[in-house]
Amino acid sequence: GAVVSQHPSWVICKSGTSVKIECRSLDFQATTMFWYRQFPKQSLMLMATSNEGSKATYEQGVEKDKFLINHASLTLSTLTVTSAHPEDSSFYICSARSLAGDTQYFGPGTRLTVL
Amino acid sequence: DAKTTQPTSMDCAEGRAANLPCNHSTISGNEYVYWYRQIHSQGPQYIIHGLKNNETNEMASLIITEDRKSSTLILPHATLRDTAVYYCIVKGVYGGATNKLIFGTGTLLAVQP
Repeated sequence: GAVVSQHPSWVICKSGTSVKIECRSLDFQATTMFWYRQFPKQSLMLMATSNEGSKATYEQGVEKDKFLINHASLTLSTLTVTSAHPEDSSFYICSARSLAGDTQYFGPGTRLTVL
Repeated sequence: DAKTTQPTSMDCAEGRAANLPCNHSTISGNEYVYWYRQIHSQGPQYIIHGLKNNETNEMASLIITEDRKSSTLILPHATLRDTAVYYCIVKGVYGGATNKLIFGTGTLLAVQP
């Protein structure tokens, strides 16, 4: 299957700081990338959908000014958690959908802990 | 909201077949059934998907009923490494309004030695 990477795999930051998470499709071009969040013992929740070169579409209840998404190329999307607070601590997972097919492939996730 | 119903958990003996059911009684004609699994603290892994015909790949088989209202994922010879949460997801075709993977609660499959 197609490979999606995320960086960093985990991060600890202080409250009030911003954190950037990168998502890359390594062996395919992704017109669309998705960002999910997962709290302990819960399922994945879709946060936003981003298409290369255009603004992201956020799901209801997700603050676009807090979770900044940039999809500048067909292989890279970034999620920036601005002014992070302890309640933003979560497992953030990206996925990418290729030009060729309609299957989404997921990254390994980034564990964010805000102190 | 997820459009599927799955049992919360299942057990399976190592080496035996694991049969994971999924109900999707409101599925539309242009919606596919996708299966993913998530091993603890990892990102979801794609397993298989289908529209109406049964499908098989190196990981699993997908059996979809004729009326498409339910399906079963079959892992033919479960191993301890197959212990994971398995998600059955209904998704529309590319470009459609429902072309997003919305995860439900899934089934926690515990493979026992």
